[in-house]
Amino acid sequence: GAVVSQHPSWVICKSGTSVKIECRSLDFQATTMFWYRQFPKQSLMLMATSNEGSKATYEQGVEKDKFLINHASLTLSTLTVTSAHPEDSSFYICSARGEGTEAFFGQGTRLTVV
Amino acid sequence: KNEVEQSPQNLTAQEGEFITINCSYSVGISALHWLQQHPGGGIVSLFMLSSGKKKHGRLIATINIQEKHSSLHITASHPRDSAVYICAVRLQGGSEKLVFGKGTKLTVNP
Repeated sequence: GAVVSQHPSWVICKSGTSVKIECRSLDFQATTMFWYRQFPKQSLMLMATSNEGSKATYEQGVEKDKFLINHASLTLSTLTVTSAHPEDSSFYICSARGEGTEAFFGQGTRLTVV
Repeated sequence: KNEVEQSPQNLTAQEGEFITINCSYSVGISALHWLQQHPGGGIVSLFMLSSGKKKHGRLIATINIQEKHSSLHITASHPRDSAVYICAVRLQGGSEKLVFGKGTKLTVNP
């Protein structure tokens, strides 16, 4: 199946710093990318949907100024957690979908803010 | 009540056993996904269904649209099948969004 690569797989950062997570579709053009957050023993929660070249659509309750999403090309979307705090520690996962295809998931990024 | 309910939440089996995980949903859907999440967190898409039944190796997925119910079966289970299995539905109406169940944690003991 298609491959979606997410990087880094884990990151530890200091409170107040920003962290960027990348999501790449390696062998298809991702017209739509999704960013999810997963707390322990909880289901994935959609944070935002991004289409290439346009602004991301954020779900209710997700701060767009805190979670910056950029989808500048058909193969790359980034999520930047700005001014991270310990409560932002979570598992972040992206998925990507091309024209007429199902969504493929990245491996996820475990963020720990200390 | 969640739109997508899975049962059981946890399941422990012995190697070789036949396993069934259930998913019920309360909304109109255009497709249903079964996903596998390993302890490291990465997610693999197992099936996408809109009707009937699909089989891949030892895995079988069925869906009954009228009853709003899907099942994932694993035949001849193996310890490497140990993972969290997640049911997710795509809502009707052209939505891109997936709504996820909370997952079923499966442990297969040797």
